[in-house]
Amino acid sequence: DGGITQSPKYLFRKEGQNVTLSCEQNLNHDAMYWYRQDPGQGLRLIYYSQIVNDFQKGDIAEGYSVSREKKESFPLTVTSAQKNPTAFYLCASSHWTGDSNQPQHFGDGTRLSIL
Amino acid sequence: KQEVTQIPAALSVPEGENLVLNCSFTDSAIYNLQWFRQDPGKGLTSLLLIQSSQREQTSGRLNASLDKSSGRSTLYIAASQPGDSATYLCAVRRGSGSARQLTFGSGTQLTVLP
Repeated sequence: DGGITQSPKYLFRKEGQNVTLSCEQNLNHDAMYWYRQDPGQGLRLIYYSQIVNDFQKGDIAEGYSVSREKKESFPLTVTSAQKNPTAFYLCASSHWTGDSNQPQHFGDGTRLSIL
Repeated sequence: KQEVTQIPAALSVPEGENLVLNCSFTDSAIYNLQWFRQDPGKGLTSLLLIQSSQREQTSGRLNASLDKSSGRSTLYIAASQPGDSATYLCAVRRGSGSARQLTFGSGTQLTVLP
């Protein structure tokens, strides 16, 4: 089945540690996105990528890094510089065309907690 | 800066009721507006997408309307069922810049009581 796979479902980070969240899609989508969701709040954009080997900062990129070496994969690293990383992280993908009405499709998320 | 507000934050209704969820946005220069459903601990499922030139979209028991000039959208759910219990989020796609990013509201948590 086509879709977006995020792993792991739960992740724990120690102080000073970098952790990487995986996002893979087999929808042949050009664009991929990472969002952060805090309790009772909407999603905020961390990074997005329109094409392989290119990515742009979103609204809250500080303390995060990404790479886009393959069309199917867009891993997110939460670095030790991110002082409040506990949140629910969602990955999404979409076609990237001149038509801005392409919907985004979401994975099931990774919940990151601090030990 | 675009801001999206959803009121109420939580809503509880008995099964069978028709209900309306509200979404408002501050900048009317949008490309489209999307309504999503989120089940606990899960990702988002797209329900309806309304283009900026449209007034409403329908899918089954769901009807979403858009009034760009007043910066408002509503999601109407007819004959609610316990399976409709979830958090409903609206998001607007920004009208400027190449990113055309989504700005999300904080959601309305709906509980439909059997």
